[in-house]
Amino acid sequence: AQSVAQPEDQVNVAEGNPLTVKCTYSVSGNPYLFWYVQYPNRGLQFLLKYITGDNLVKGSYGFEAEFNKSQTSFHLKKPSALVSDSALYFCAAGPMNTGFQKLVFGTGTRLLVSP
Amino acid sequence: KAGVTQTPRYLIKTRGQQVTLSCSPISGHRSVSWYQQTPGQGLQFLFEYFSETQRNKGNFPGRFSGRQFSNSRSEMNVSTLELGDSALYLCASIPGQGKGEQYFGPGTRLTVT
Repeated sequence: AQSVAQPEDQVNVAEGNPLTVKCTYSVSGNPYLFWYVQYPNRGLQFLLKYITGDNLVKGSYGFEAEFNKSQTSFHLKKPSALVSDSALYFCAAGPMNTGFQKLVFGTGTRLLVSP
Repeated sequence: KAGVTQTPRYLIKTRGQQVTLSCSPISGHRSVSWYQQTPGQGLQFLFEYFSETQRNKGNFPGRFSGRQFSNSRSEMNVSTLELGDSALYLCASIPGQGKGEQYFGPGTRLTVT
């Protein structure tokens, strides 16, 4: 069965410092991977995706993620955090071979950026 | 281009009733997925439709059903509501054949009393 793990319920970081939100996955075959962000009372907003190609994926709002096949990880990173980055972040995965959108989501990590 | 719209945004129902939620995808998108989000279970996949056909279904009881119309608008229905059905129901619109990122609507917050 497919699964996505986000081991940290919350990540605290000071504004201006780098941030990392961790994600590991278990998917049969080659995965496609996504990061989404959710602000209060809002739906999910797409940040970035990995389907194939470079292991370092750049996305919206200065975020990037590194795909590591051997460690089955897809950690989200940003060089310099902003207070406005405070939100709930979800990692999601799906098997590439199906071609369909049946994503499995992690439980989410709350990012809190302090001024 | 308008985003994904979901109606209603908020809904309060009584246990045993049924409810229908609506989702209008981004213009040109033919694939729509539905998810249930709860604090305890997180985001769980309900079903996915493409060109009026259900292609994927999650592990939910038969009380949860959906359909898609020829204009790609989708509805989901929950019959015989239970307290545990209280959740944020999210619809996602997907371009092309269904690969790539999903664009989520704001969700419908369903409260069952």
